[in-house]
Amino acid sequence: EAGVTQSPTHLIKTRGQQATLRCSPISGHTSVYWYQQALGLGLQFLLWYDEGEERNRGNFPPRFSGRQFPNYSSELNVNALELEDSALYLCASSYGLAGDTDTQYFGPGTRLTVL
Amino acid sequence: EDQVTQSPEALRLQEGESSSLNCSYTVSGLRGLFWYRQDPGKGPEFLFTLYSAGEEKEKERLKATLTKKESFLHITAPKPEDSATYLCAAATAGGTSYGKLTFGQGTILTVHP
Repeated sequence: EAGVTQSPTHLIKTRGQQATLRCSPISGHTSVYWYQQALGLGLQFLLWYDEGEERNRGNFPPRFSGRQFPNYSSELNVNALELEDSALYLCASSYGLAGDTDTQYFGPGTRLTVL
Repeated sequence: EDQVTQSPEALRLQEGESSSLNCSYTVSGLRGLFWYRQDPGKGPEFLFTLYSAGEEKEKERLKATLTKKESFLHITAPKPEDSATYLCAAATAGGTSYGKLTFGQGTILTVHP
């Protein structure tokens, strides 16, 4: 069974640009989560989508946004990039609202570098 | 505010030298405690989920336990391939915590041959 996939693997942008990161969940999973892992800060929760709706978001500014498509894949958009947005962005998936303690399975991540 | 703290930050072991990693949590209503393994530059790999105090789970050389305030990851007779960062995370009661995992900073384990 295929795991969570993310694209691209690496992304290099300059300050002020926009970045789009993509995620495909494990087959059968309806929930997608986004986390940011910046150097020295650990994994920080960004967003949670289930059945196409945003269910919760972490303490990040509105320029971090996303959406979930009917096939449950998801996109994370980061507008007006700042240097401190450089990080590994991780996507995870789970079975969704049936149990919010369901295990989250992570993808390999997208390394975003902002110059 | 929910908080998860892992210790030690780094642990160096000789192959075969058993030890334990600690994860203490201060959260409002624990709903699940998760352990992951992360290799450099890769996504976290799921290891265990624990739901209630007294619960234990095992996988190969790893055993995870849970009390009301902390969790331990015991590593028995580790091998160099066990070298990685081990992360614990808590899922807590609803409201603003709904759906998210609160992660500790991780323990970097190095096992020397």
